[in-house]
Amino acid sequence: GQQVMQIPQYQHVQEGEDFTTYCNSSTTLSNIQWYKQRPGGHPVFLIQLVKSGEVKKQKRLTFQFGEAKKNSSLHITATQTTDVGTYFCAGNLIQGAQKLVFGQGTRLTINP
Amino acid sequence: DAMVIQNPRYQVTQFGKPVTLSCSQTLNHNVMYWYQQKSSQAPKLLFHYYDKDFNNEADTPDNFQSRRPNTSFCFLDIRSPGLGDAAMYLCATSRDYPGNTDTQYFGPGTRLTVL
Repeated sequence: GQQVMQIPQYQHVQEGEDFTTYCNSSTTLSNIQWYKQRPGGHPVFLIQLVKSGEVKKQKRLTFQFGEAKKNSSLHITATQTTDVGTYFCAGNLIQGAQKLVFGQGTRLTINP
Repeated sequence: DAMVIQNPRYQVTQFGKPVTLSCSQTLNHNVMYWYQQKSSQAPKLLFHYYDKDFNNEADTPDNFQSRRPNTSFCFLDIRSPGLGDAAMYLCATSRDYPGNTDTQYFGPGTRLTVL
């Protein structure tokens, strides 16, 4: 079945350092969504990318969708302790797909 | 205001004793999903409803059943819980399918412990 691969699985940084997580699909995606799950919490929607080459920013977070719509990245500039959590990408293979295909997630921990 | 509500937040059951988890939503969304999430893993989809249409994932064990009596409520029934069923169970809703660019709203989850 379709798989969305996400790396790294874990990332530990010092507060103030940057962080990036990458998502790759073997097939073209219709769109990709990013979710954040705090420790002990539930996934919360962050953003959705639809267009080839799309870049979106939310304060210190930058999201990119590759030109071929097969990969995506989330970059956090100058991490803060509030950024701690697991970041999941979730792709849709085709328009009208009934379900999200989640990546494995990247767990971010931060040393204050 | 809570939009996707799950009860109870914590559930303890005994091996083999049936248990029901509930989910309700105030969003009037068409789609309701049930996920199972184990520690350090991504949510795993069990099944979903689009309105009253039930869609089961191929690898969801028969032990897991679901009911959606109306738009607002959806239930997850585990007929004979095993130790391997201990997990966080997440309910999510969306107006339409994610392939149509709709996003999912997750409830806070029910953490199930099986003794």
